[in-house]
Amino acid sequence: AAGVIQSPRHLIKEKRETATLKCYPIPRHDTVYWYQQGPGQDPQFLISFYEKMQSDKGSIPDRFSAQQFSDYHSELNMSSLELGDSALYFCASSPLAGGHNEQFFGPGTRLTVL
Amino acid sequence: AQTVTQSQPEMSVQEAETVTLSCTYDTSESDYYLFWYKQPPSRQMILVIRQEAYKQQNATENRFSVNFQKAAKSFSLKISDSQLGDAAMYFCAYRALMYEAGTALIFGKGTTLSVSS
Repeated sequence: AAGVIQSPRHLIKEKRETATLKCYPIPRHDTVYWYQQGPGQDPQFLISFYEKMQSDKGSIPDRFSAQQFSDYHSELNMSSLELGDSALYFCASSPLAGGHNEQFFGPGTRLTVL
Repeated sequence: AQTVTQSQPEMSVQEAETVTLSCTYDTSESDYYLFWYKQPPSRQMILVIRQEAYKQQNATENRFSVNFQKAAKSFSLKISDSQLGDAAMYFCAYRALMYEAGTALIFGKGTTLSVSS
C-alpha cells in the first residue's frame, strides 16, 4: 500500500540558512499535517491543511511557512534556521473517508542545523 | 486546552509477559479519539490501536488491548505475550473534534518500553 512520502529524508543546514521539506500524502488523502519532534521529545503539531487551505495552526514559528498545492502535496519552508530547529519533522495525511480520524505518518525528515 | 499525561517514562517487561502502559488525559469534549502510537528506533510512527470515545467496548488488536475509562479519563495500553520487537517508545495521543479535517493530535511525553529475553 502507498504510504506518505517525505523528502529529503536527511538534511544538514547551517545556521541562518533556509530549508524546504516536502510531503506527498497517500493518494486520495486531502489533509496534511506537519509535526516537529525534538530529541527525546513528543511530536509537536505545527500546522495542517485541508483542501489546500490552512486548517489548524500549532506552535509554528513565524520563520516557518507552509502550503498545500493543487496535487495535495505540501511543503514546509523554514528560514533563518536556528540550532534549536534540529529535529525530526513528520508529515501525516488523512482521508475524508473515515472522517479524518486517523493520521498516517511519513518516515520523517531529519533536519540537523550546524 | 487538552492535555495528555503519561506518568511512566520507562517500563520494562520480560518476553512472553504482560505489561500495561498508563495514560490519562484532560478534556471537556464528549466526542474524541484516543490512540496509542509506537515509535521504534527507526523513529517511524506506527499506529498500534485507537478508541472512539463514544464506544464503551475496549478496542483490541491482536496482543494489544486498551482499558478505556471515560469518566476517569484514563486510557491504558496492555501488551500481552510481549515480544522483543515490542521494544519502543509508546505515545498516547488525543484527537478532538471527530470528523473535522486538520485537527491535530496531542501527544503525551511517551513511555520507553524495554523487553528482555
